[in-house]
Amino acid sequence: DIQLTQSPSFLSASVGDRVTISCRASQGISSYLAWYQQKPGKAPNVLIYGATTLQSGVPSRFSGSGSGTEFTLTISSLQPEDFATYYCQQFSRFPRTFGQGTKLEIK
Amino acid sequence: EVQLVESGGGLVQAGGSLRLSCAASGFTFSTHSMEWVRQAPGKGLEWISHISSSSNTIYYADSVKGRFTISRDNAKNSLYLQMNSLTDEDTAVYYCARDNMFDWLFDNWGQGTLVSVSS
Repeated sequence: DIQLTQSPSFLSASVGDRVTISCRASQGISSYLAWYQQKPGKAPNVLIYGATTLQSGVPSRFSGSGSGTEFTLTISSLQPEDFATYYCQQFSRFPRTFGQGTKLEIK
Repeated sequence: EVQLVESGGGLVQAGGSLRLSCAASGFTFSTHSMEWVRQAPGKGLEWISHISSSSNTIYYADSVKGRFTISRDNAKNSLYLQMNSLTDEDTAVYYCARDNMFDWLFDNWGQGTLVSVSS
């Protein structure tokens, strides 16, 4: 199975900060990676797919980069509504594994 | 508007069974692959099963293989998850999710249904 390791697991930041979250795959997955945001008590919501493509309706302060085994989600200027947990997910092969999550908290 | 509504969750004793349903509306259900994803309390997301649009292709996570069965009824716009031999490790919120037809992502999710297994 392909393992996805996110770092950091917890991140404390302030409104207006630029933050990056990393996702490392245990083997190459080309660009078959998506990023999701999840708020407490809610279902996840897709932000990025194909490693770099912004899902329709998602603010442009979110961006994704990477391919192969190293991927990054960047939020250019944190807004209050961005404090949530973020997950990466690979679609290269089954099982369609998720990373363990990164909880973004207000500093 | 795409809607996915799960039902069938509840409290069940260890060793018991439960059948989850996911009612789909607002899109052509028969053209989309579908998924089940779960989340244990305070934990991360765990993908558990996939079914293709015509039920030709089915996959399971090792953690549920042999105990859970995914199925769908395209005439009823419904997705199912039959869960047998439940253990306390199956306690979680269960989400159904829709595969995007053209790209690799789960583009719509239900609100989830809670399954609690008592030992």
